[in-house]
Amino acid sequence: QKEVEQDPGPLSVPEGAIVSLNCTYSNSAFQYFMWYRQYSRKGPELLMYTYSSGNKEDGRFTAQVDKSSKYISLFIRDSQPSDSATYLCAMSTNAGGTSYGKLTFGQGTILTVHP
Amino acid sequence: DSGVTQTPKHLITATGQRVTLRCSPRSGDLSVYWYQQSLDQGLQFLIQYYNGEERAKGNILERFSAQQFPDLHSELNLSSLELGDSALYFCASSQKGPGRNFEEQYFGPGTRLTVT
Repeated sequence: QKEVEQDPGPLSVPEGAIVSLNCTYSNSAFQYFMWYRQYSRKGPELLMYTYSSGNKEDGRFTAQVDKSSKYISLFIRDSQPSDSATYLCAMSTNAGGTSYGKLTFGQGTILTVHP
Repeated sequence: DSGVTQTPKHLITATGQRVTLRCSPRSGDLSVYWYQQSLDQGLQFLIQYYNGEERAKGNILERFSAQQFPDLHSELNLSSLELGDSALYFCASSQKGPGRNFEEQYFGPGTRLTVT
């Protein structure tokens, strides 16, 4: 079983829809939770990160972390065709450990927003 | 553009061969990370270097090795290549490294390796 599980989709939604992307994880040592966006033939780029549990909002994007359930989510409001990409969740352990720099990624969810 | 550069963009080689992938981190970044992305395994951490020293290791095969040079660029060496090594190899960099607060890792455009 993988440490981080993410439904690869693909997910296809109409423009303007609310998109919900999710990951579950098994390692309770994870403290930092990230969402990366990867366009075709490009490297991943960081969208948002959250430390420990809670919500974080940035424009049309909201990240949620529920450590008790080991479940994280990314919501995209008013989705646009330019949001079409692969979305990867990623996690790392607390700062200070020797494994801090290691990011553990989910499989990625392919999202298509059609006009 | 993240500021991280990787060369070459594409590499096609035969089984049993050895290749070297190169990464230049963003100006001022001391940490370099290598990741492998394949369809079946997804994006997997290989190894991290901080200011020339190895700091963290993932499931990197013994046939693979890396180093970070005094000018902070890094090279990933892959030897005795197998068909299963075909993948995208990404380099990322961050400002400092382990022991600090959260730092964003900036990813390069990747090197696509095809082993035939």
